[in-house]
Amino acid sequence: ELKVEQNPLFLSMQEGKNYTIYCNYSTTSDRLYWYRQDPGKSLESLFVLLSNGAVKQEGRLMASLDTKARLSTLHITAAVHDLSATYFCAVSVAGNQFYFGTGTSLTVIP
Amino acid sequence: DVKVTQSSRYLVKRTGEKVFLECVQDMDHENMFWYRQDPGLGLRLIYFSYDVKMKEKGDIPEGYSVSREKKERFSLILESASTNQTSMYLCASSFYGETYEQYFGPGTRLTVT
Repeated sequence: ELKVEQNPLFLSMQEGKNYTIYCNYSTTSDRLYWYRQDPGKSLESLFVLLSNGAVKQEGRLMASLDTKARLSTLHITAAVHDLSATYFCAVSVAGNQFYFGTGTSLTVIP
Repeated sequence: DVKVTQSSRYLVKRTGEKVFLECVQDMDHENMFWYRQDPGLGLRLIYFSYDVKMKEKGDIPEGYSVSREKKERFSLILESASTNQTSMYLCASSFYGETYEQYFGPGTRLTVT
């Protein structure tokens, strides 16, 4: 059974600080996705990482993928309150089927 | 922009009722998915479909069925709703391409009493 584990599950950080969310997965995959979910809302796509060593950045968020270690990271730089949300990683198998992590609930406090 | 819509944002049903959740996408995507989301469990795949009239079981299909009669529409059916099916239901669609990225609808919060 494929497992996707995120840590931490809950993260409270001060504005201006840096932090990293980790996503480990248990089987070979070369596609990894990061989504954001605001309370009561649906999932919004942040990044699609398609190959080993892929790095993508958008604003204060940067995602990377190491397929050999089966690890992706989502790095937050100089956090601001607007980044408060739940972040999910997902791995695709056979292209079509996604397996999601349990999510990391991020709260940025002033 | 890809648009995935779901028939209801909130739904309250009684135990034993038959429940229909509908999802429509407007981007001619081949693949459609139904997930349920529960606190601490993330998203779990119920069923998916890669073509009209085709369906595949996901990880938790028990108690659910699906229907895809038209490419743009994917319905999730709870034959006899139970309280343990109270959840947030999310529909998604994707196309065959480089990324297989899934686009999500707004979700339906279903409460079964």
